[in-house]
Amino acid sequence: GAGVSQSPSNKVTEKGKDVELRCDPISGHTALYWYRQSLGQGLEFLIYFQGNSAPDKSGLPSDRFSAERTGGSVSTLTIQRTQQEDSAVYLCASRTRTSGRLEGGNEQFFGPGTRLTVL
Amino acid sequence: DAKTTQPPSMDCAEGRAANLPCNHSTISGNEYVYWYRQIHSQGPQYIIHGLKNNETNEMASLIITEDRKSSTLILPHATLRDTAVYYCIAGSSNTGKLIFGQGTTLQVKP
Repeated sequence: GAGVSQSPSNKVTEKGKDVELRCDPISGHTALYWYRQSLGQGLEFLIYFQGNSAPDKSGLPSDRFSAERTGGSVSTLTIQRTQQEDSAVYLCASRTRTSGRLEGGNEQFFGPGTRLTVL
Repeated sequence: DAKTTQPPSMDCAEGRAANLPCNHSTISGNEYVYWYRQIHSQGPQYIIHGLKNNETNEMASLIITEDRKSSTLILPHATLRDTAVYYCIAGSSNTGKLIFGQGTTLQVKP
């Protein structure tokens, strides 16, 4: 079946502009995560959606960052007034809550990411 | 989420077993140990996870110490395609939220 998809694959924008990044999770996955990876750095958690619960926004670096998940499926990460330090690869992942062999420890499936460059 | 400590880099000869250690001394009782890897320019890939018992799947084995303060990921027959950054994460079983550290860069050499 189809995996997690993200669009666009690459985005170049000018400092101060707003950008929207899209994530299509695996069908039926109830949990969705956003991460980012700056050049040469590890992955940084941004935000997490689970079903209809309020999202965990604890990783968002500033109030310029926001995300929504409509209809429990597609998610959009929005960065307002982009800065050069926002340049990174933004990764989306999804996960099912269905119990596997180890209940509660199910794997996340990652998309290919969106490479954002802010000039 | 508990912090994990991994060596920054390791080498392994092709065809040999790669043993990647991880310390997670502050892990709580309901936190799982997850291993992911990231091959250059790709998104992370799940490898294996465990709670208390040792686990094995088609990719790797996970050995968790009895006190759960450390674990070892074993790739039984490393290939050049296993060259990647390997992340050990102690994560919530409820949220599944992953807090990545710096990981171990494994270089498999011919």
